[in-house]
Amino acid sequence: EVQLVESGGGLVQPGRSLKLSCAASGFTFSNYYMAWVRQAPKKGLEWVATISTSGSRTYYPDSVKGRFTISRDNAKSSLYLQMNSLKSEDTATYYCAREVALDYWGQGVMVTVSS
Amino acid sequence: DIQMTQSPSSMSVSLGDTVTITCRASQDVGIYVNWFQQKPGKSPRRMIYRATNLADGVPSRFSGSRSGSDYSLTISSLESEDVADYHCLQYDEYPNTFGAGTKLELK
Repeated sequence: EVQLVESGGGLVQPGRSLKLSCAASGFTFSNYYMAWVRQAPKKGLEWVATISTSGSRTYYPDSVKGRFTISRDNAKSSLYLQMNSLKSEDTATYYCAREVALDYWGQGVMVTVSS
Repeated sequence: DIQMTQSPSSMSVSLGDTVTITCRASQDVGIYVNWFQQKPGKSPRRMIYRATNLADGVPSRFSGSRSGSDYSLTISSLESEDVADYHCLQYDEYPNTFGAGTKLELK
């Protein structure tokens, strides 16, 4: 059974940093692209980042480019999202998801950016 | 960036209805459109992939179709468990983009 479990969320002040983790199990992690998607409270879904199987290629929307970094550790079956220079508009539930097509999702982790 | 214009934003429905939700892509995205269902407090669940394919475990009353740049999700004979939010996604090109979502509510 595919499982994705996010961690690392919480309350953080504007301008500070936070790193999210996603532990994957139930599939061969190194064979799949992975992604992060977020959802602000009462809002729609927004794609945040995608990483290739080896980690050599990463993709971001303009809204987070230069501030967020997606990475992975295939030996640990883990995905990460380093978020720097956080803004109030980054407040959201963050989901990790498998594949570009987002076929499986984690349960999500809440990030609140507020002073 | 490719815009996915989703309509309607909300819909009042009755059990047994046939419901159709549409996303219009601003550029050609081919077959690379997925549909997701999301219930309150839950993660999205993929329902349709590559525009017309039913994901594993999804009831056959759900279907996806494409006409040009219009992509549709249809739910036949709506059941109570289908009342949820629905989102489309294009993943043909980065940045991947979602529609704004459709909220189904019971009359």
